[in-house]
Amino acid sequence: GENVEQHPSTLSVQEGDSAVIKCTYSDSASNYFPWYKQELGKGPQLIIDIRSNVGEKKDQRIAVTLNKTAKHFSLHITETQPEDSAVYFCAASVTSYDKVIFGPGTSLSVIP
Amino acid sequence: EAQVTQNPRYLITVTGKKLTVTCSQNMNHEYMSWYRQDPGLGLRQIYYSMNVEVTDKGDVPEGYKVSRKEKRNFPLILESPSPNQTSLYFCASSLEAGVGDTQYFGPGTRLTVL
Repeated sequence: GENVEQHPSTLSVQEGDSAVIKCTYSDSASNYFPWYKQELGKGPQLIIDIRSNVGEKKDQRIAVTLNKTAKHFSLHITETQPEDSAVYFCAASVTSYDKVIFGPGTSLSVIP
Repeated sequence: EAQVTQNPRYLITVTGKKLTVTCSQNMNHEYMSWYRQDPGLGLRQIYYSMNVEVTDKGDVPEGYKVSRKEKRNFPLILESPSPNQTSLYFCASSLEAGVGDTQYFGPGTRLTVL
């Protein structure tokens, strides 16, 4: 079955710097890769996603890149702000199936 | 307001005492799912449902039951809870399954089994 690894597990950056979180997946059939942000005491919330027919997607300060050959994808946050502090989860799924496999999460701290 | 609600938010119980965690969504979503979240393990899917009366096992279904009698509700049942089921539980829903649809998560239920 699918296995998703995520690194680093914790990340601290200075406000205004960039943050990068990397994930790898094992199932070459995976074709949908969402990223979720979880703030303290809340459920995860989708922030960006990418499908396997696209190599990069950007939404304001957030971008995701996908390398299908290497089976890895990354989240890039530029000009980080304190409100970006949260736990971020990557996930992978095969859209013809019903399961979404999550990575173990990255705790991001943005230091003012 | 479109949302997924879960009750209770916090629960402390003892081994073997049956309990139910309710989940309800008001978005007319077809797909609903239960996850448990444990430190270092991320979110693991317990059960999911593609529509009314259609449920299937996720990755960690042992010790859990679900039912989907109505489209909006998807309760999680622990017939005989054990300490290894102490966890943070999330219910999620999406419009459809199988199309990479956005999942909307509830606020979570923190369960402690003594």
